[in-house]
Amino acid sequence: DSGVTQTPKHLITATGQRVTLRCSPRSGDLSVYWYQQSLDQGLQFLIHYYNGEERAKGNILERFSAQQFPDLHSELNLSSLELGDSALYFCASSVFSGANVLTFGAGSRLTVL
Amino acid sequence: AQSVTQLDSQVPVFEEAPVELRCNYSSSVSVYLFWYVQYPNQGLQLLLKYLSGSTLVKGINGFEAEFNKSQTSFHLRKPSVHISDTAEYFCAVSDTGGFKTIFGAGTRLFVKA
Repeated sequence: DSGVTQTPKHLITATGQRVTLRCSPRSGDLSVYWYQQSLDQGLQFLIHYYNGEERAKGNILERFSAQQFPDLHSELNLSSLELGDSALYFCASSVFSGANVLTFGAGSRLTVL
Repeated sequence: AQSVTQLDSQVPVFEEAPVELRCNYSSSVSVYLFWYVQYPNQGLQLLLKYLSGSTLVKGINGFEAEFNKSQTSFHLRKPSVHISDTAEYFCAVSDTGGFKTIFGAGTRLFVKA
């Protein structure tokens, strides 16, 4: 157990729908990162939050949004889902020091039918 | 911006043989370098990291990596692999501010008996 908790583990939904993925970082970590892992695109960086504020953005679609709450948990919202959004979504956390080691959760597997 | 290229998508090797997984990076700023491992149905775990100092870095499970600034490479090596090393290995680069960590496409190491 890495200490990073992601829910749900598996999610099956239909095209056009909206889902929310949740992440609780490891105790003491202030940074949360979201990644999308798919067979054709590998592990893509989506977004980074630090203590509630957005710090960096990667290849995140406009249909996707995220936020980090005062208790430091984070949610990734995916809307108007398409078949191509089917992927494993990982959350990682860190203490956000210069030596930025990421601790990953087990992932949320999203299947869009 | 940073980018990472892992030169081999798959590396098959016999048990107890040595292995090298190759990684090249590009960046216009100073970076930190990492190798992570992903076992089936799990999140990524840190193998080792290079921050500064000695260019030869030792990690867990007998792995080591050498940072070569002139060749912008960070190859991962292990002198004798075990069946249990079968996994996917990701090279990653982070800006020194820790804002984003970019991963390579991954190398699948398959250790045969």
